Amino acid sequence: EDQVTQSPEALRLQEGESSSLNCSYTVSGLRGLFWYRQDPGKGPEFLFTLYSAGEEKEKERLKATLTKKESFLHITAPKPEDSATYLCAVQAVSNTGKLIFGQGTTLQVKP
Amino acid sequence: NAGVTQTPKFRVLKTGQSMTLLCAQDMNHEYMYWYRQDPGMGLRLIHYSVGEGTTAKGEVPDGYNVSRLKKQNFLLGLESAAPSQTSVYFCASTPTSAILEEQYFGPGTRLTVT
Repeated sequence: EDQVTQSPEALRLQEGESSSLNCSYTVSGLRGLFWYRQDPGKGPEFLFTLYSAGEEKEKERLKATLTKKESFLHITAPKPEDSATYLCAVQAVSNTGKLIFGQGTTLQVKP
Repeated sequence: NAGVTQTPKFRVLKTGQSMTLLCAQDMNHEYMYWYRQDPGMGLRLIHYSVGEGTTAKGEVPDGYNVSRLKKQNFLLGLESAAPSQTSVYFCASTPTSAILEEQYFGPGTRLTVT
């Protein structure tokens, strides 16, 4: 069964304190892994798509990496505006068009 | 472009009542989805559609029905609401799955069933 697990569930950082969020996945064949950001009371907003192990993508203070079993979202020198819930999702080769989401990591960055 | 819009934004129902949630997109996307989001459980797929006139079951379809009569609209129906259907509902769309595309999400509908 395809499955996505994110850790930790919640993370509190001080402004400028770098850290990483983890997304572990089990899928029969990975077509792509997605990272989304979700602010309170809003719908998820797309951040990155990763396709193959070894791939990395960056956007401002965020960098996403992918291995054969997990993905990391690295946050460098975070700011309070980075506070949000970060969602990871996978699309399997056998289920094109459908995403399987993890439960999310809620990040709080204090000034 | 408005992107993906959802109507209504909030709704309170009594057990046994029915309602329809409307999702509309103006991006000419082929694929549309309905998810529910509950605390600690992430997003779970209810039903989806790969094109006008087609629908398919997702992970948690029981108690819901959908229709895609027009390409730009995807309706989610609750025939007899239950407290377990209290949740935040999100609609999403994507151009096609032939190539890997991000899903565009609406702002959500918060539904409470008492």
